[in-house]
Amino acid sequence: AQSVTQPDIHITVSEGASLELRCNYSYGATPYLFWYVQSPGQGLQLLLKYFSGDTLVQGIKGFEAEFKRSQSSFNLRKPSVHWSDAAEYFCAVGGNNNNDMRFGAGTRLTVKP
Amino acid sequence: DTGVSQDPRHKITKRGQNVTFRCDPISEHNRLYWYRQTLGQGPEFLTYFQNEAQLEKSRLLSDRFSAERPKGSFSTLEIQRTEQGDSAMYLCASSLVGVPNEKLFFGSGTQLSVL
Repeated sequence: AQSVTQPDIHITVSEGASLELRCNYSYGATPYLFWYVQSPGQGLQLLLKYFSGDTLVQGIKGFEAEFKRSQSSFNLRKPSVHWSDAAEYFCAVGGNNNNDMRFGAGTRLTVKP
Repeated sequence: DTGVSQDPRHKITKRGQNVTFRCDPISEHNRLYWYRQTLGQGPEFLTYFQNEAQLEKSRLLSDRFSAERPKGSFSTLEIQRTEQGDSAMYLCASSLVGVPNEKLFFGSGTQLSVL
């Protein structure tokens, strides 16, 4: 069965510093991988997704993620964090039907001034 | 595109009462999903519809839970005889099947507190 592990429950970074959020997945076939962001009182917003092709995926708000099949990972990165990036980040894995989608427990990002 | 809207935003109820939530998807979207999210966890899939047909229900969805999408537009999720363990954020999402790289759009959720 598919599953997602986000090892870091909470991360704090300084504004302007680089960011990497970890995601490891388990999936029996070629996975579709997603990163979502959730701000307080807001719905989940899709940052980026990987379906096939180039393993380095660019998303919105300056985020990128790299799919590494050998490590079953799909880590999210941003070179320079802004205070507005403080939120909860969820990694998800699924097949070609969104009903298969499984979310990780999330990583809460705090940004220090 | 007015987005996915959910009503109410917050619901407080006493144990044993019935509650109903509503979701209005993006108008042209034919798929509608319900998820439940508890504190410190990611969303868990509950059920989904394609048009008015309910195609899948999670084992998480006990007999006390029922969802409908009678005209293939808005959906309701009803919980009967609520229990404290039902306290969670209930999220609705919609998508358009058949579009390459089908994308889920989420609503802001209904926060349920069962006292």
